[in-house]
Parts: sequence; structure tokens; C-alpha cells
Amino acid sequence: SAVISQKPSRDICQRGTSLTIQCQVDSQVTMMFWYRQQPGQSLTLIATANQGSEATYESGFVIDKFPISRPNLTFSTLTVSNMSPEDSSIYLCSVASGNYNEQFFGPGTRLTVL
Amino acid sequence: DQQVKQNSPSLSVQEGRISILNCDYTNSMFDYFLWYKKYPAEGPTFLISISSIKDKNEDGRFTVFLNKSAKHLSLHIVPSQPGDSAVYFCAAYSSGAGSYQLTFGKGTKLSVIP
Repeated sequence: SAVISQKPSRDICQRGTSLTIQCQVDSQVTMMFWYRQQPGQSLTLIATANQGSEATYESGFVIDKFPISRPNLTFSTLTVSNMSPEDSSIYLCSVASGNYNEQFFGPGTRLTVL
Repeated sequence: DQQVKQNSPSLSVQEGRISILNCDYTNSMFDYFLWYKKYPAEGPTFLISISSIKDKNEDGRFTVFLNKSAKHLSLHIVPSQPGDSAVYFCAAYSSGAGSYQLTFGKGTKLSVIP
């Protein structure tokens, strides 16, 4: 399994500002994923990020709100733009195993928007 | 519409007894199922998975059973230990979709009482 770290681990932000979350993996991976877990809800996939191409967003998520970068095979960022209290969630990145049958998750970033 | 459902938000079990966590799904395209364990302030940790070509997969104290006709799977933990206390998420995906998008249930909080 991969070792995944995220920064920051938590943050409290003001409405209207933006926050960039970093995800670092200890090995090269093709596919990285960004999820959101709203309070009391299940994990929901925001987008899939492949190196060298634009991220693929799921229904309900748009690039202007959640821009993603994937500059290399071990790193990705997710920005939560123009935040509102509804964006208060845990944001997690994950990577797929070599055979894509399992995904391994980072520790998450707990975001609170006031 | 929730495609993966965990109808029990919580479960309490005595140490040493069996814990049974249940999961139902509605999407017949799902052909791979995973269980994750999540401690507070940590990301989900992969536990065990099962392909739809099997009806049982075992790994130590953890066994997952799949009933395709009923679209139901369950995770058995025997014997339960206090360290198993966590939130357990059921997840599924369709390998044919090519996106490796995991669809999660809302989780079941397991408490193992010493």
C-alpha cells in the first residue's frame, strides 16, 4: 500500500476565501482521486486526477469551484474556491493500487468555513 | 438515490463475540466490493474486498460474504476486539465503467465493549 500525506490536516477559513489542499504519495501512481465527506454523509468522489491531463469531475462538481493540479506522479492539489459554510467537510485524496482493485486514502483535511 | 446503503448507523458488540456489518446495493453493474475502517481524524483504511465472481473472502478475523441475488454483502469480524471500534464503510465499483469510482455507504459505527 502507498503512504499518503495531506496538508493541512485541518483549517478554519472565512467565507469567500480559497484553500489549497496538498496530497503527497510516497510512490508514483497513475490515478489519484479527491473525495469529500460532508458531516454525517458518505464519501463522495469529486474528481479523478491523472498526470498530464485535465481532471475528470463527477456530476455536481465543477473545475471553477474545485480546480485540481497534478504536476507529477506523486503529487496533487485540490483548491476549494470562494468557500461557503456548505463547503465544510473532510477532503481526502486517494490512490489506486497497481491492479486498481483497492484505493488507499490519505488522512484527510478537515475544513471548517465560517 | 443511494446506491450503497448501510442501514445500521451503529452497532455494539461484546468483546470476543461476532460483529456482523451489513451493506446493500442497488446498482447491478457493481462487481467489486470493499470494506474500509475509519478511526477519528484518520483516513479510511482498506480492510478486505471481494469480487462478484466469489461469494466469500476471508482474511484473518475478517470475512466478507456476498449474495449477488440479494445485492447484499456483510462483513464478519470474529472475535471482535476493542481495537475494532471504528466506523466501517462499505464501497463498491463497476470495473466495466473504467473510472474506478468508488461509491460509499454512510458507514456503521462499531463499538466493541470490553
